[in-house]
Amino acid sequence: ILNVEQSPQSLHVQEGDSTNFTCSFPSSNFYALHWYRWETAKSPEALFVMTLNGDEKKKGRISATLNTKEGYSYLYIKGSQPEDSATYLCVTRYNFNKFYFGSGTKLNVKP
Amino acid sequence: GAVVSQHPSWVICKSGTSVKIECRSLDFQATTMFWYRQFPKQSLMLMATSNEGSKATYEQGVEKDKFLINHASLTLSTLTVTSAHPEDSSFYICSASASGGETQYFGPGTRLLVL
Repeated sequence: ILNVEQSPQSLHVQEGDSTNFTCSFPSSNFYALHWYRWETAKSPEALFVMTLNGDEKKKGRISATLNTKEGYSYLYIKGSQPEDSATYLCVTRYNFNKFYFGSGTKLNVKP
Repeated sequence: GAVVSQHPSWVICKSGTSVKIECRSLDFQATTMFWYRQFPKQSLMLMATSNEGSKATYEQGVEKDKFLINHASLTLSTLTVTSAHPEDSSFYICSASASGGETQYFGPGTRLLVL
């Protein structure tokens, strides 16, 4: 079993603050990394999938970067809004077709 | 697009009974479906992967005779927890991906409580 670590476990920010969190993963045999947003009582929503070292993806105020050599990805949220409150999940896939989930970063944005 | 439903959303059953959970892709054909389990304060753990028309591939430590998976069509997979026991109480969530697709689309999950 591979360890995918997300930090911090939880985060409380004020509306309008920008924030970021980290996903660390073993880089050997890496194939792809996914970020999901998971709101309570809803399905996890796919945000990004990244495969190449140096990949950067952006969706509105949310962006992500990937470093496959050192095994980490950052997720950034610019100008957080209360509706951004959710758990952000990092999932990595490896060449042997296995998926590994981080335990998530729970973001709470206070109005 | 890419909506996955799961039913039921929660279920309470007596020890020894069987429980069936359905996972449906509503607007795409899911060639591959995944079943996960999550215990409190832990990450999602993959239980099995199923391709339409084939037997499911179970992860190490997951009993295939206890967790029966059927993926008979491109839009439906079912997970049956046979002879459920209290230790099977958990959150079960499915996901689906289309042919050649990398992204998994998740259902909302099923919370199972076995008394």
